[in-house]
Amino acid sequence: AQKVTQAQTEISVVEKEDVTLDCVYETRDTTYYLFWYKQPPSGELVFLIRRNSFDEQNEISGRYSWNFQKSTSSFNFTITASQVVDSAVYFCALSEAAEYGNKLVFGAGTILRVKS
Amino acid sequence: GAVVSQHPSWVICKSGTSVKIECRSLDFQATTMFWYRQFPKQSLMLMATSNEGSKATYEQGVEKDKFLINHASLTLSTLTVTSAHPEDSSFYICSARGGRNTEAFFGQGTRLTVV
Repeated sequence: AQKVTQAQTEISVVEKEDVTLDCVYETRDTTYYLFWYKQPPSGELVFLIRRNSFDEQNEISGRYSWNFQKSTSSFNFTITASQVVDSAVYFCALSEAAEYGNKLVFGAGTILRVKS
Repeated sequence: GAVVSQHPSWVICKSGTSVKIECRSLDFQATTMFWYRQFPKQSLMLMATSNEGSKATYEQGVEKDKFLINHASLTLSTLTVTSAHPEDSSFYICSARGGRNTEAFFGQGTRLTVV
């Protein structure tokens, strides 16, 4: 069975600090997809990244970067120079099959609070 | 990206009444739609998967007679919470995709409060 663990329930940082959100997953599938979403107080889910299991290259997008390591089943997300607008709940998710538009298994989420 | 619209964004209803939530794909044909539920301060849990023209597949523990899903067209799926009770108060969010190995896009969600 698929499972996603986000051990950090809540993280508080001061603006401009770097912060890493951890995500560990379990799956028996050899092909799968991993996602990160941001959920601001409004509730909508903002897509951040999708990564397939065959692509272990790290990715950087502006202040965001992702570190995917199959050896440790982790897909960690780092925000560099955090800003107050980054305050939100962040979810890591796993697709259940080899179709990236498939249903998702979400982690419990990490609340990120960035203080000015 | 493609647009998925949910309506209403929020709704308050009395206990015992039914509430219908719509999920529309605005610029693509959604062959599959997913319905998720998120209780306050919790994660999102899949409730059911609906494919256009067929019966929805419900996840274990989700009452299909209470949460009626209809996906009668390629652009619209509805979730009806029947005989709603306060414990059904939650954030309901749908996602839709056009076909296998196509991106699934989320709607903005519906916050249901049953009083």
